[in-house]
Amino acid sequence: EVQLVESGGGVVRPGGSLRLTCAASGFVFGDHGMSWVRQVPGKGLEWVSGISWNGGSTSYADSVRGRFTISRDNSDNSLYLQMNSLRAEDTALYYCAREDLNYFVDYWGQGSLVTVSS
Amino acid sequence: EIVLTQSPGTLSLSPGERATLSCRASQSVSSRFLAWYQQKPGQAPRLLMYGASTRATGIPDRFSGSGSGTDFTLTISRLEPEDFAVFYCHQYGTSPYTFGQGTKLEIK
Repeated sequence: EVQLVESGGGVVRPGGSLRLTCAASGFVFGDHGMSWVRQVPGKGLEWVSGISWNGGSTSYADSVRGRFTISRDNSDNSLYLQMNSLRAEDTALYYCAREDLNYFVDYWGQGSLVTVSS
Repeated sequence: EIVLTQSPGTLSLSPGERATLSCRASQSVSSRFLAWYQQKPGQAPRLLMYGASTRATGIPDRFSGSGSGTDFTLTISRLEPEDFAVFYCHQYGTSPYTFGQGTKLEIK
């Protein structure tokens, strides 16, 4: 069974940093691209960032480029999102998501809540 | 970036009726890399369709997808009580990937 478990969320002041971690299990992690998608409670979904199976290719939404960094450790079945220079508008539930081999997201974690507030 | 506009914003129907949800892209979605997700309150999204018209594993055949280029449609032929939720389209063909703003399907 595919499982994606996010951790690392919490409350941080504007300008601060957080690192989200996603622990993956139930599949061959190194075979799949991975993504982070966020959702402001009660609002829609926003794709944040993606990374290829080997970490060689990364991409970002315009809203986070230059502030967020996605990375992965295939030896540890882990996905990361380093978030710097956080803003109030980054407040959201952050989902870890697995990409099918044809690139669409097919599995989601339950999310980790990030709150940016002074 | 490709902007996806979903319509209507809210759709009020009764069980047994047919639902038609639209997703229009600001530019062509490459290779029909268009997916649909269903999200219920307090839950993560669930994959319904990918490649515009292929049902994901376990999705009942009352769900169907169609379209290409800039216009895509999700159809639910006969609504069941468990189908009422928010639906999102998502393009994964051109980075940055994007989602539509969602259509809420509510019980009339």
